[in-house]
Amino acid sequence: DIQMTQSPSSLSASIGDRVTITCRPSDTIDSFLNWYQHKPGKAPKLLIYGAVNLQTGVPSRFSGSASGTAFTLTIRSLQPDDFATYYCQQGYSTPYTFGQGTTLEIK
Amino acid sequence: QVQVVESGGRLVKPGGSLRLSCSASGFLFTDYYMNWIRQAPGKGLEWVASISGSGSTTAYAGSVLGRFIISKDNAKRSVYLEMSTLGIEDTAVYYCARLDCGGDCQSDYWGQGTQVTVSS
Repeated sequence: DIQMTQSPSSLSASIGDRVTITCRPSDTIDSFLNWYQHKPGKAPKLLIYGAVNLQTGVPSRFSGSASGTAFTLTIRSLQPDDFATYYCQQGYSTPYTFGQGTTLEIK
Repeated sequence: QVQVVESGGRLVKPGGSLRLSCSASGFLFTDYYMNWIRQAPGKGLEWVASISGSGSTTAYAGSVLGRFIISKDNAKRSVYLEMSTLGIEDTAVYYCARLDCGGDCQSDYWGQGTQVTVSS
């Protein structure tokens, strides 16, 4: 199974800040990396697929990138609605493993 | 619009069995994989199982292999998760999601989840 190592596990930031979350797979996944946002009691929401593609309807302040074997989710100019838990997931091979999650909290 | 709705979650005793259902609408059901993902209390998301549009191909997480069976009824536009030999570690919110596999695979539409509690 491919292991996904996500960091940091938690993050405190202020409205208007720029934040980055990193995900590293234990084996090759090409660019088959997805990012999700999850709020308590709600369905998870797909933000980014294929490492860099913004899902329809997702604000442009969210972006994804890849460099070497690391994948990054960047949120520019944090908004109140962005405080949530974020997960990466590889969509390369089953089992489609998730990272451990990053909880983004208001500073 | 695309909608996914889970049902069937309840309290069940350790060693028991349970079947979850997932009803989908708003898209050509046979064109898409479907999958189940769960979240145990205080834990992250865990992918559980997937099934192809035709129902001929399935895959499972190691933690449920041999105990859970995913199936679908295309005429009813429904996906099922038959769970047996349930343990306390299977307590979780179970989400059903459409899996878009045009190249890589991503879960683009999710239900609100159904709670499964395994306890004596």
